[in-house]
Parts: sequence; C-alpha cells; structure tokens
Amino acid sequence: GDSVTQMEGPVTLSEEAFLTINCTYTATGYPSLFWYVQYPGEGLQLLLKATKADDKGSNKGFEATYRKETTSFHLEKGSVQVSDSAVYFCALSKMDSSYKLIFGSGTRLLVRP
Amino acid sequence: GAGVSQTPSNKVTEKGKYVELRCDPISGHTALYWYRQSLGQGPEFLIYFQGTGAADDSGLPNDRFFAVRPEGSVSTLKIQRTERGDSAVYLCASSDGLGENIQYFGAGTRLSVL
Repeated sequence: GDSVTQMEGPVTLSEEAFLTINCTYTATGYPSLFWYVQYPGEGLQLLLKATKADDKGSNKGFEATYRKETTSFHLEKGSVQVSDSAVYFCALSKMDSSYKLIFGSGTRLLVRP
Repeated sequence: GAGVSQTPSNKVTEKGKYVELRCDPISGHTALYWYRQSLGQGPEFLIYFQGTGAADDSGLPNDRFFAVRPEGSVSTLKIQRTERGDSAVYLCASSDGLGENIQYFGAGTRLSVL
C-alpha cells in the first residue's frame, strides 16, 4: 500500500542553521504531497503542499519540491528560528483514495538560541 | 466557527466503558475526516464523511468503533467497550471537498483508557 517515510528525529539545530528533513513516499498513481507542522500544544497545520511532479511548495521560508524520479519531498529552510521548533509531518493523499492523508511518523525539530 | 472544534480536549475512562468524541467542522465544509494518533506516530486515517454518509470507513480498526454525521455538520466518533490500546489522540479534520481538498485539523481529543 501507499506509505510515507521520513527521517527520524529529533533534529537539533542552532538558530540560523540550514534545515533539511527528508521524506520519501511509495504510492501508485499521482499523489499530492504535503508538509504539516504541529507546534507544542496546538493542532496540525498545513505548512506547504505540491500537487504534481516538479512543483515547489513554499511558506514561511520553508520549501519542498515534488521529485517523482526519486519519490521524495524533502523539507528545507535556509535559516531556522527558535519558533520553528515543532514536529513536522510529511503526508500524501490521492483523489481515488478519498483524499485521506497518509502520514509519516513525524520529525521533531528543536532549535536552540 | 473559525476552525475545527473538538470536545472534550481530554477524556479519561475505564476499560470497558463507552465514549463519544465530538467534532464540529468549519462551517460549510462538506468533507470530514477522523484520524487517530498514537504517541510518537503520525496520524492514521479512520473514516471519511462526504455530507451525511460515511464514504470510506476502511480505517476503523474493528466494530467497536463507529462514527456518525447525521446532519452533515457535527460528527461523533463512538467507541464501545474501550480497551487500553485505544488510548491515543483522536483528530478531526474538515475540508470544502473541492479542488485540492485541503484538510484543516482540530486540536484533538486525548483519550486515556485506564
């Protein structure tokens, strides 16, 4: 079945460091890809998305590019802030599967001042 | 409301008891999803409603779990004869069912079965 694999955390970085969180997927057909973020004590929020190959999603300085050839959707940010500390989830959905989201296990990011 | 609302935020119950978890979606959203998130894991799909009907219940783990959405708005997830393994955060999400079908999540209900 369809699945998402993301790098295990926690990832600990100093403020202003470069961030990469790896995400790969296995899916038939043409999934849409998402990054959701869960800040402490809050619900899941959509961070960015991409709906077809080579699309780049971006938001709040984060970027991810839908790479069909490598089945990847890695999350990047050039300079992280303490306020970016959260758990990040990669996910996919497909129209022929009720658009239900299939999530990875999440990666906790801790940014130190 | 402004966002997806879930009540209660926390529920503690004893093994064998019945519980109901409520989800109030964003006004006008026709699609509603329930997910379950165990500690340290990503959310797992349970059931999807389009309007009043359950369009996809393939994620419900067994027949102790049931969900309804009688008027196409508020949904209730019902768990009978709770087990300790049911302890998790139950998340609800809604979408407008159009285009990319972006899902907006509530803060969840943390269920603890003692």
